[in-house]
Amino acid sequence: DSGVTQTPKHLITATGQRVTLRCSPRSGDLSVYWYQQSLDQGLQFLIQYYNGEERAKGNILERFSAQQFPDLHSELNLSSLELGDSALYFCASSPIPGQASGANVLTFGAGSRLTVL
Amino acid sequence: AQSVTQLGSHVSVSEGALVLLRCNYSSSVPPYLFWYVQYPNQGLQLLLKYTSAATLVKGINGFEAEFKKSETSFHLTKPSAHMSDAAEYFCAVSEAGADGLTFGKGTHLIIQP
Repeated sequence: DSGVTQTPKHLITATGQRVTLRCSPRSGDLSVYWYQQSLDQGLQFLIQYYNGEERAKGNILERFSAQQFPDLHSELNLSSLELGDSALYFCASSPIPGQASGANVLTFGAGSRLTVL
Repeated sequence: AQSVTQLGSHVSVSEGALVLLRCNYSSSVPPYLFWYVQYPNQGLQLLLKYTSAATLVKGINGFEAEFKKSETSFHLTKPSAHMSDAAEYFCAVSEAGADGLTFGKGTHLIIQP
């Protein structure tokens, strides 16, 4: 158990629908990252939050949004779902961002597998 | 911009043989480099990391990697493969002051009995 909790583990839905994926970071970690893993694109960085604020944005579609709450858990909202959104969505957390003196190690959750039919 | 290239989407070795997974990086500043492993139906787990201390880094499960600046490489090795090493392996790079990681496309390691 990495300490990063993601729910649900599996989700099957239809095109056009909206889903919410949830992530609880490891205790003490302030930063949360969302990644999408698909067979053709590999692991793509979507977005990062630090202590409730958006810190970095990657290849996140406009149909997707995220937030980090005061208790530091994060939610990734995916709307107007398309077949191509079927993927494994990972959440990762790290202690603090931008450590110039050392590498920022990310701890990953087990992922949420989204299937869009 | 930083990037990572993993040579070989699939690597097959016999049990007991040497494992060599290749990773080349591109970074405008000295990088931090990582190898993560993903077992079936699980999340990514850190194997090892390079943070500009020793160029030969030892990780978990008998894996090690060597940072070679002249070759911009960070290849992962294990002297003797075990069936339990079958998994997807990802090389990743970050830069000092940056938070996130840029991942390679992954290498699927197959262990033949």
